[in-house]
Formats: sequence, C-alpha cells, structure tokens
Amino acid sequence: AQKITQTQPGMFVQEKEAVTLDCTYDTSDPSYGLFWYKQPSSGEMIFLIYQGSYDQQNATEGRYSLNFQKARKSANLVISASQLGDSAMYFCAMREGVGSGGYQKVTFGTGTKLQVIP
Amino acid sequence: DTGVSQDPRHKITKRGQNVTFRCDPISEHNRLYWYRQTLGQGPEFLTYFQNEAQLEKSRLLSDRFSAERPKGSFSTLEIQRTEQGDSAMYLCASSLKEGRLAGPDTQYFGPGTRLTVL
Repeated sequence: AQKITQTQPGMFVQEKEAVTLDCTYDTSDPSYGLFWYKQPSSGEMIFLIYQGSYDQQNATEGRYSLNFQKARKSANLVISASQLGDSAMYFCAMREGVGSGGYQKVTFGTGTKLQVIP
Repeated sequence: DTGVSQDPRHKITKRGQNVTFRCDPISEHNRLYWYRQTLGQGPEFLTYFQNEAQLEKSRLLSDRFSAERPKGSFSTLEIQRTEQGDSAMYLCASSLKEGRLAGPDTQYFGPGTRLTVL
C-alpha cells in the first residue's frame, strides 16, 4: 500500500479563490508527522506547514492550513486567496517510525500540480 | 543567504563517468539528507547523516553511490560509472534535531542538482 496518496495529479484554481489539495496516508505508528512542501519549476522544495499526530489543533501558516482528519487518515492542504505565485507542484509527506540513529523515515507522495488562473 | 546550497545546479555527463555533488546545509543543522527525484515522482530517500556519521542508507543507494560528511558540515555525493538511469534531480536537505524531544524535525531543502547522463 502507498504510504502517501495524492489522488489529484493536476488542479486549476481561479486567482483569489481557495483550493484544497488532497492527501491520505497510511501508517500504524501512533507518533508521526505530516508535511506539505511546494516545488516551483525552479526545483527547490519549500516547506509550507507541519502537523504532528498528537496535535489537537489543525496547523495554520498564513494562507495555508492543514485539514487534519486523523480517523480518516487525511491531511488536506487548504490554500486561501490563491495567487499566481502559488502555481507549483505540491507534495504531501509523512515522517514515521524510528530507525537506526534516530532517523525517522520521510515518505513523499507523487504530488499535485496546481495552476492558478488569472 | 543562510539556506541549503548545492553545487553544481546542473551536470551533464557521459555514461561511465564519475560525478560528485556538494551540499552545504544550514549552518546550525546537525542532520543532512540526500534524496533523488525523477520526473513525476516525489523525492526518494537515499541517505542520512547525523553530524559526520552516516546512519541510514536506502537500498536505492547502490555500491556505485557514496556519500560523505567528513566534518559534520558540508556533504558530498559521488556516483561512479554513471548510467542513464541515474539521470534525476538530486536534492539535499538539512534539519536540526536536539535531544530526544518530539518535534517536527523539519527538513529544509536545497535547490537540487539536475544530473543528465548521456
């Protein structure tokens, strides 16, 4: 089974509208973390937002919020008031487990390409 | 600029040649990671360092790949006898993990090195 599933290969949104990017995850570890990254065409992965599995509140960072539904194992990213500069690939990622040396594996989804239309 | 830097940004090489990439992490970060990203996929974990110790390696890291972080600061990733299948974006990330407290351990990425093997 895929650890991280992003079912939307591509999305369009009108400028100034809100958009939700879907992410579901699969883990049996009670302690895990969920991340969203943005990757513009330049290639750099930009950290957007983090949600811990024990966090009671949904994470928010400016125009980004994470709709965390633990029972459904979903961690959707909501971008409010879309801007042209939001056009990029968006990756959901999960950190889980503890390997050797304290490393917790981070697994990325396949991404969603968001295009903001003027 | 205090972000993660990578050099070179682009590398074109002929099959069978050796290549080396460099990553300079955020200065106070003690953890460093290498990922490989192919078209249409999210980053895939290759290896992880805590300070100068290489503590985790993916099965993706064949014996042609070697990574070092000699003084716990910058890191190098070398690919020997390159193959066309090695063509990808190679991403470096760093994070700061202190003690055993739970926390995001957020990874911050560099701009990547795009490798093309002809």
